[in-house]
Order: sequence, then C-alpha cells, then structure tokens
Amino acid sequence: DAGITQSPRYKITETGRQVTLMCHQTWSHSYMFWYRQDLGHGLRLIYYSAAADITDKGEVPDGYVVSRSKTENFPLTLESATRSQTSVYFCASGRGDTGYQDEQFFGPGTRLTVL
Amino acid sequence: AQTVTQSQPEMSVQEAETVTLSCTYDTSESDYYLFWYKQPPSRQMILVIRQEAYKQQNATENRFSVNFQKAAKSFSLKISDSQLGDAAMYFCAYRRAPYTGTASKLTFGTGTRLQVTL
Repeated sequence: DAGITQSPRYKITETGRQVTLMCHQTWSHSYMFWYRQDLGHGLRLIYYSAAADITDKGEVPDGYVVSRSKTENFPLTLESATRSQTSVYFCASGRGDTGYQDEQFFGPGTRLTVL
Repeated sequence: AQTVTQSQPEMSVQEAETVTLSCTYDTSESDYYLFWYKQPPSRQMILVIRQEAYKQQNATENRFSVNFQKAAKSFSLKISDSQLGDAAMYFCAYRRAPYTGTASKLTFGTGTRLQVTL
C-alpha cells in the first residue's frame, strides 16, 4: 500500500518491557519523524531522521531509541517502558524540500498503554 | 525556542456558520511556515492549510482561510459554512525554513476542539 503506515495500531504492555513501534513509508522521503501526542501538550518531537543512518534527538528523546538502516523504515523502541510513555505515537515523513512542497505526511498513529 | 499557543481549548459553531480559531506563535526567525492540521476522531492528522511567512497574501483553501499577521505573530483559521465533518481537533503548527536538521520539525500548539452543532 502506498503511503505511510504504522504498526501496531494499539499496544498494551507492562512497565519495564521493551516495545518497538514500526513505521514504513513508500515515498522514499528523506525525512522521517516520531512525535508523541499527549493531552495539554499537542504533538512533541521525539526523534527525527534526515536520511538513512542519520538520526537526531527532538524535544523528548529520553527513554527512546531509533534506527534507520533503510530509507523506508524508522522504528521507535522503548527500551524499558514506563507509565509516562503511555501516549499516542505518530510517525511522519517529508521530502525535505525547502520550497513549497514541504508537507509532512502523518501515519495513522499507535496508541500505546503502559500498565 | 519557538512556541505555539492556542488559547481556545474548545469552540462550538452551528452548521453553516463561520468560526475562527486563534493561534499565536513566538519566534525570532524571519522565514518560516505555519500550518493548520485537522485531527478527526480517526486520529489521522490532515493538513488543512499552510502559509509561508514571506507571503503577505493570506492562504485560502475552499472554505478555509487564514488571517496571518506577521508583526503580531498571529495566525488564525477561519472556517466558513461549517459542516458536521469539520468537527475535529485543530492544531496550529510552526516550522522554520530552510528544511534542514532540527529546522525540519513541526512545533505544535495544544489544539482546539471544534464542535459543530445542528
């Protein structure tokens, strides 16, 4: 399927477990992003990647790990999940143009609950 | 650091009426982009409209238009002829230009939930 997909769409886990959220895009966009959405905070950037093998921290990176070995995939791992990481996670991608066509396209989100 | 403020947590509008959602932002940059995203109950983030800071003309997309006041750092969204399908959470967002490094990220406001009544 064309576009940007996330899996799983819903996940319940326990404190201390490792969880990996997957993100896949079919456009060969250079840039990919992970945001988390929490009430009262809007969406906040966790990590981003400018290209394969290039990643960098966003506003709230603590407790998360990312990798990007292929352009189309950008998994987000919670190494030891905590209750404060209960949130809705959005993956996004963008071409990285400096011109008008600079839209970021969002995946459908993953609702993660940490018990 | 850039900040985006949406001071209206909730708004309500009657079908076919007009509503304006407010957004203010703070930045020291002169070149940037502003966006309004719609998030319906499906959670999907949908781009509604974008504005380039260097353009004085306000952006319009069908029933959606913005009032961009660069000096006041204000970026409001006007929805005309409101429809039931417009009911959603609306987020204002800011991005620096050019699109490199951390400048590529979007900074979001906290959102305004819009209800549309019959």
